[in-house]
Amino acid sequence: AQSVTQLGSHVSVSEGALVLLRCNYSSSVPPYLFWYVQYPNQGLQLLLKYTSAATLVKGINGFEAEFKKSETSFHLTKPSAHMSDAAEYFCAVRRETSGSRLTFGEGTQLTVNP
Amino acid sequence: KAGVTQTPRYLIKTRGQQVTLSCSPISGHRSVSWYQQTPGQGLQFLFEYFSETQRNKGNFPGRFSGRQFSNSRSEMNVSTLELGDSALYLCASSSGGGFVGELFFGEGSRLTVL
Repeated sequence: AQSVTQLGSHVSVSEGALVLLRCNYSSSVPPYLFWYVQYPNQGLQLLLKYTSAATLVKGINGFEAEFKKSETSFHLTKPSAHMSDAAEYFCAVRRETSGSRLTFGEGTQLTVNP
Repeated sequence: KAGVTQTPRYLIKTRGQQVTLSCSPISGHRSVSWYQQTPGQGLQFLFEYFSETQRNKGNFPGRFSGRQFSNSRSEMNVSTLELGDSALYLCASSSGGGFVGELFFGEGSRLTVL
């Protein structure tokens, strides 16, 4: 079965520092991969998605992720953290044959310290 | 363009009662998915409807049911509520076509079961 694993349920960085949130997937075929962000008391917002068009994917708010098949990884990065980036981040996988069904990772709570 | 609208946003029920949650997708979207979010289990897929037909179903008991109307609006129902049903229920819509479209999430309905 498709699954994703997010390493680190909590990540803390200083404002201006690099943000790195880790996601590994298990799949026998290249999947579709997504990163979503959730702010308190809100739904999920798509940051970026990988659909095999390019291995380096740029998203909103300065985030990007690189698909590495050899490492089965899809880590999310941002060069310089901003206070407004504090939120929970979810990695998700979807199979082409599963309709719109997403399987989410456990989530990573990002804290940005001033 | 209006986003995904979920009602009610908050509700409190007692064990044994039933609840109906509503979701209005983005205009033109034909797919509606439902997810349950809890601190312990994270985000779990409930079901997906596409053109009034259930296309996918997650691993939830039969107490959880849903439907979709001809205007793509969807409802989910939980009967005989249990304490463990307390959660944030998220609805997401997409165009639902064969390509990997983005899921747009509503802000959720937060259900508390006492």
